[in-house]
Amino acid sequence: GAVVSQHPSRVICKSGTSVKIECRSLDFQATTMFWYRQFPKKSLMLMATSNEGSKATYEQGVEKDKFLINHASLTLSTLTVTSAHPEDSSFYICSARDSTKGTGELFFGEGSRLTVL
Amino acid sequence: GQQVMQIPQYQHVQEGEDFTTYCNSSTTLSNIQWYKQRPGGHPVFLIQLVKSGEVKKQKRLTFQFGEAKKNSSLHITATQTTDVGTYFCAGRGEVTFGIGTKLQVIP
Repeated sequence: GAVVSQHPSRVICKSGTSVKIECRSLDFQATTMFWYRQFPKKSLMLMATSNEGSKATYEQGVEKDKFLINHASLTLSTLTVTSAHPEDSSFYICSARDSTKGTGELFFGEGSRLTVL
Repeated sequence: GQQVMQIPQYQHVQEGEDFTTYCNSSTTLSNIQWYKQRPGGHPVFLIQLVKSGEVKKQKRLTFQFGEAKKNSSLHITATQTTDVGTYFCAGRGEVTFGIGTKLQVIP
């Protein structure tokens, strides 16, 4: 079945540094990928929609200069948390939909837990 | 904006008991999806409901979509420890997730 791989699964960084998270669709092409943030004991909050070959669409309240998204190919989207601060610590997760399947199913990556010291 | 409310937020049941989680939307949904997230894991798709009044079953899991397409429920019959996790409903596909219901099953 369709698989979405996310890397790294865990990252610890110092305040002020930037962190890049990759999201890959392994056996299907994804023109659109989605990035979420999940706080402890909370739901998934959609941050942005990543579009292959064009600019990402950000949800209200999400700083696009803070969370840079690049979707350079049909199988890879990256999220870069720039100048990270402790309040950016969270679980970031991506998803993609296999357009060849009619189920509407979202395939999620394994998630990346970011800790900013 | 559209909100998807989900209750209860937490549920502890004895193994073998039934469990139900409910999802309510402030607006009519074109479809609703259900996902399960195991502790430490990522959400995994369970099902999508599209039609008004639709009922679908997956072994011990029964999913319903309301007649007005504003609410949905997931019912698990005779819970097992493998059912532990957080169950999310999602309206409008990737956009609006419910807060989730965390299910604990006591052996």
